Parts: sequence; structure tokens; C-alpha cells
Amino acid sequence: DAGVIQSPRHEVTEMGQEVTLRCKPISGHNSLFWYRQTMMRGLELLIYFNNNVPIDDSGMPEDRFSAKMPNASFSTLKIQPSEPRDSAVYFCASSFWIAGGYNEQFFGPGTRLTVL
Amino acid sequence: AQSVTQPDIHITVSEGASLELRCNYSYGATPYLFWYVQSPGQGLQLLLKYFSGDTLVQGIKGFEAEFKRSQSSFNLRKPSVHWSDAAEYFCAVGAGNRDDKIIFGKGTRLHILP
Repeated sequence: DAGVIQSPRHEVTEMGQEVTLRCKPISGHNSLFWYRQTMMRGLELLIYFNNNVPIDDSGMPEDRFSAKMPNASFSTLKIQPSEPRDSAVYFCASSFWIAGGYNEQFFGPGTRLTVL
Repeated sequence: AQSVTQPDIHITVSEGASLELRCNYSYGATPYLFWYVQSPGQGLQLLLKYFSGDTLVQGIKGFEAEFKRSQSSFNLRKPSVHWSDAAEYFCAVGAGNRDDKIIFGKGTRLHILP
């Protein structure tokens, strides 16, 4: 199994540009999470999906951020327009969840975003 | 809502010495507790988890953690650290069966002296 795949691994863009981050979860997993990691704020959950449906997006910082999961094998996190304060490492994680218990979240390698 | 505190931002120990990383949680019911490790430039990897039962749980890489309800703690321990253990360690708490979300602490960065 290739694990959680994220692309690109690094992204450098200019303020005001649109940024799209991509994630392919582990096959068979039904939950997908987007996190943001910064030195100041640590690891923050932005949004998560279960069976392709957004369950909790309370961590999405503002309307400039949007996430979609059109099918079980693909998700995107989009920032438009991007700002320098969006610079961070963005992680995608997936798990197989059933009612009554937790399972391990498997993390991708992350996308390091720099907004100039 | 659940929360987790890791009081130590940085910890430095000598190779071969014992290690204990502290974690305190806040949650009204029995929590689901996790320790993850992040090596530089990598994503997070699960070390161990506690759901119920024996309060001393064993994980990968020789780590263990003990759940103490009376102290609201879930400290991570290792009897003898190796240079390869240098990384950032995250404690996390989940609310239980209601959803799949877990909340991470700010992390503790472990430095190993040769």
C-alpha cells in the first residue's frame, strides 16, 4: 500500500494566487482529515469527511478556504486568494472508522506551502 | 469539548537515559488517548493508543504509556532512548464513539545528547 499521497510536496506562490492541495487516501478508508501545522498554532484540524461527506468544517479559518471530496479516493483543499499567513505545512490523513471505535489515522507526508 | 496539554515544549535527554513525556487531558467521560511521533519533514505516525482496559499500554519502538484517570494524564515513557528517537511527540484525545475527530496537543520536541 502506498499510504496517503499528497501533492504537491512543496508549493511556493504569490499572494492573491489560488492554491490547490491534493490528497489520495488509503484505499478502503472512509474518513479523511485535513490539518494545518504551524510553529505558532501547532497542528490544527481544518475539516474532515466521512464517506465523502463533510462532517466538521469548524476549523476552516475563513471563506478563502474550501475543501471537496468528490469520491472516496480523492480530496482537494483550495485557498483562494492565498495570503502570506497561510504559509504552513498541510497534512492529509485517512482512517477507517466504524461507529463504536477509533482507528489509527494515517498521515501523508504533507505539503509545505509558502505564500510570498 | 475535549482538550489536551503537553506542558513541555522541549525535552533533552542523554542517549541511553530514560524518558517521560507528559500529557494531561480534559474530557468529562472516558477519553480515547493517543501518542503520535513526527520525524523531521515527515507526517505523524501512531505510537500507541488507549481505549479501555489495562491502563498501561505498549506501543511501537519500545514506548509505553500509562492512563491515570485520577490525574487526567497519559504520560509516555521509554526506559532507554536512542538517538533515532529525536523527534516531535504529540498527545491526542478523542471524544469517544460520537465521531472520528481527535484533538492534538502542541507537541514536545525531544532532543537526544550523544
